[in-house]
Amino acid sequence: DIQMTQSPSSLSASVGDRVTITCRASQGISNFLAWFQQKPGKAPKSLIYAASNLQSGVPSRFSGSGSGTHFTLTISSLQPEDFATYYCQQYGSYPLTFGGGTQVEIK
Amino acid sequence: QVQLVESGGGVVQPGGSLRLSCAASGFAFTYPLHWVRQAPGKGLEWVAVISFDGSNIYNADSVKGRFTTSRDNSKNTLYLQMNNVRPEDTAVYYCARDAYHDYRGALDYWGQGTLVTVSS
Repeated sequence: DIQMTQSPSSLSASVGDRVTITCRASQGISNFLAWFQQKPGKAPKSLIYAASNLQSGVPSRFSGSGSGTHFTLTISSLQPEDFATYYCQQYGSYPLTFGGGTQVEIK
Repeated sequence: QVQLVESGGGVVQPGGSLRLSCAASGFAFTYPLHWVRQAPGKGLEWVAVISFDGSNIYNADSVKGRFTTSRDNSKNTLYLQMNNVRPEDTAVYYCARDAYHDYRGALDYWGQGTLVTVSS
């Protein structure tokens, strides 16, 4: 199985900050990488697919990059509604696997 | 708009059975569908995928031989039959649509989830 390691597991940031979350795969997955946002008590919401493609309706302050084993999610200017937990997920092979999550909290 | 609505969750005793449903609307029911679960306070765990016609199904090792995924395309509904459940199966169960018809695994829409609690 492909292991997905996210860092950090949590971070504190202020509105307007630039935030970067990292996801590493235990083996190469090309660009078969997605990012999700989850708020408490809610279902995950797809933000990015194929490592860098924004889902329809997702604000442009979100961006993704990377390929192979190293990926990043960047929020260029953190907004109040962005405080949530973020997960990466690989779909390079089955079983699909998720990172452990990064909780973004208000500083 | 795309909607996925899970139902059927509840409290079940260890060793018991439960069937979850996921009703789909707002799109052609020709996409592969997945089950993903989340234990209380934990991360996301993929459970299973079924192709659009039900001919291909993949399961996580943790549920193999106990959980069965099926779909009724005439009713636009996905099912998860859970047998011989264990306390570690306690989780919110989500259904999710695969954006690709070849069940690549890119999940674009998710339901709101249904909670399954395994407890005596």
